[in-house]
Amino acid sequence: EPEVTQTPSHQVTQMGQEVILRCVPISNHLYFYWYRQILGQKVEFLVSFYNNEISEKSEIFDDQFSVERPDGSNFTLKIRSTKLEDSAMYFCASSGAGVDDEKLFFGSGTQLSVL
Amino acid sequence: AQSVSQHNHHVILSEAASLELGCNYSYGGTVNLFWYVQYPGQHLQLLLKYFSGDPLVKGIKGFEAEFIKSKFSFNLRKPSVQWSDTAEYFCAVSSSGGYNKLIFGAGTRLAVHP
Repeated sequence: EPEVTQTPSHQVTQMGQEVILRCVPISNHLYFYWYRQILGQKVEFLVSFYNNEISEKSEIFDDQFSVERPDGSNFTLKIRSTKLEDSAMYFCASSGAGVDDEKLFFGSGTQLSVL
Repeated sequence: AQSVSQHNHHVILSEAASLELGCNYSYGGTVNLFWYVQYPGQHLQLLLKYFSGDPLVKGIKGFEAEFIKSKFSFNLRKPSVQWSDTAEYFCAVSSSGGYNKLIFGAGTRLAVHP
């Protein structure tokens, strides 16, 4: 089965630093998402992206966050100035436009630790 | 606003026991319903989904779920669990049609003892 890949698997950063989390969605997918899971809490929706623009974002996705699809294959999440509370597992997901178009394929996640 | 409630946070079973994990959702319109599983150290995987039609949905690894519209429920079942079913299980809902964000429940950690 095709996979969504995420790099790095673990990222440690200092508070206030910028981080970029990288994702390679499944190649023929059209919709891209970022979710996060703070330890012990629910998986939360951050943002969805379609046709090179944000289609929906949650209240968590404030001005510190941005997403980009720089080259037609990668899909990145940037946190401009990390805070302690940004520590979480960040999941990228993608979905297509066919019969299973509402099936999200998730990556393995990037564990972000902000110190 | 949509929300998903999973009743059990931790479930401990012996192998061969039957499993039922509760899930209730809150949403006024037509929904799509999902169960995802996360094995230790692995990513979220889709177990099964309901979009429409037969409310009893069969998924991978012997799991099934029943959509009861009147109860806003989508409980996950397996008649006989195995040690390899040890994982965290997430119920999720999206509003029907097009791309849509998933709203997840808090998850249920299942531990199966041999």
